[in-house]
Amino acid sequence: GIQVEQSPPDLILQEGANSTLRCNFSDSVNNLQWFHQNPWGQLINLFYIPSGTKQNGRLSATTVATERYSLLYISSSQTTDSGVYFCAVEDMRFGAGTRLTVKP
Amino acid sequence: DADVTQTPRNRITKTGKRIMLECSQTKGHDRMYWYRQDPGLGLRLIYYSFDVKDINKGEISDGYSVSRQAQAKFSLSLESAIPNQTALYFCATSDWARTTGELFFGEGSRLTVL
Repeated sequence: GIQVEQSPPDLILQEGANSTLRCNFSDSVNNLQWFHQNPWGQLINLFYIPSGTKQNGRLSATTVATERYSLLYISSSQTTDSGVYFCAVEDMRFGAGTRLTVKP
Repeated sequence: DADVTQTPRNRITKTGKRIMLECSQTKGHDRMYWYRQDPGLGLRLIYYSFDVKDINKGEISDGYSVSRQAQAKFSLSLESAIPNQTALYFCATSDWARTTGELFFGEGSRLTVL
């Protein structure tokens, strides 16, 4: 099956800093999503992005399907951005996540 | 009310007991999924269903069974619970009949097997 790898596994930022999270996948995909799991365990959809670029406020995502990776950008980070960020492909396979901690 | 509802939200049980986790959705989506989350391992797919008559095993189906009672209901059973099934379980839905399959999750069911 498709392998999904996320990096870095952990990231600590000061409030206001920018960050880039990466998701590599081992085969072509028709479906890629990014999620945020907040400290209460809720999984929140961020982007559905099998290819191209999307932006939503301080967050944006880019998927380069031909090179099998996706990037999630967080600008001007806030403490509420803390949590774990997952990418998932084909509704079936999740990466292990990036744990983000934003310090005030 | 949540679009994807899981019950119970928390459950503590003993080894060997039968447990059922239930999921219902009001989104009208055709596909439903059960995932398991363990610390540091992300989410792993247990079972998925494309419609009422279609059930498929996921990556880690051993020790679990499912039932799709209606388009809106998908339950997960542990016939004889064991401690390594202690985890956070998520139900999700997606709509491939009309759109392209974005996943929507319930709030999770935390199961502890003693």
